[in-house]
Amino acid sequence: QVQLQESGPGLVKPSETLSLTCTVSGGSMNNYYWNWIRQPPGKGLEWIGYISYSGTTNYNASLKSRVTMSIDTSKYQFSLKLTSVTAADTAVYFCARENYFLSSGYYYRGRNFDYWGQGSLVTVSS
Amino acid sequence: QSALTQPRSVSGSPGQSVTISCTGTSSDVGDYNYVSWYQQHPDKAPKLMIYDVSKRPSGVPDRFSGSKSGNTASLTISGLQAEDEADYYCCSYAGSNTYVFGIGTKVTVL
Repeated sequence: QVQLQESGPGLVKPSETLSLTCTVSGGSMNNYYWNWIRQPPGKGLEWIGYISYSGTTNYNASLKSRVTMSIDTSKYQFSLKLTSVTAADTAVYFCARENYFLSSGYYYRGRNFDYWGQGSLVTVSS
Repeated sequence: QSALTQPRSVSGSPGQSVTISCTGTSSDVGDYNYVSWYQQHPDKAPKLMIYDVSKRPSGVPDRFSGSKSGNTASLTISGLQAEDEADYYCCSYAGSNTYVFGIGTKVTVL
């Protein structure tokens, strides 16, 4: 059974950098796309971006200037860095796997998120 | 990208059916058959309930069904049960390898 687990500081000061890591267990990282999604307290979900198993990234345009994602498949981990944080970045941060399917020998992205971490609350406050 | 529009809340009695709408634009919901739905209980991670507009992952009860017409997707829960009380979010592929979520709908079982 695939499991994802977020880890990182729960408190970050304004203007500093938020850093989170997601550890994957119970399955391979190959061929999948690994996403970060956040949820401010009492609000809805916001897609932050993804990093592929090979290191390709794509970010939400609204956060692009502040986001960096990296991956270390040998450690079964991928990470998120968000710079210059403000109170508006206070949220539960989820890591999630985007699946894929095989058709006629080609891999196609599933365009949905089938496994999620439990979430990590990050509060931005001095 | 603007969040997809969902009703803030819907409710129904046990055994009834409820439908949640998810309205986007011709650039997301209307342009791709990649709408998914997620169920989220309080303080829990979201769970995939529907993908590709109307497909159910293994283990999801067939009480949950999805559809799409134009720029609006819908999730229907038939035979509502107490454990269905949760928040539900739609999500659509929005092109250029990006995704957009709905604002979320709280389902209350009366």
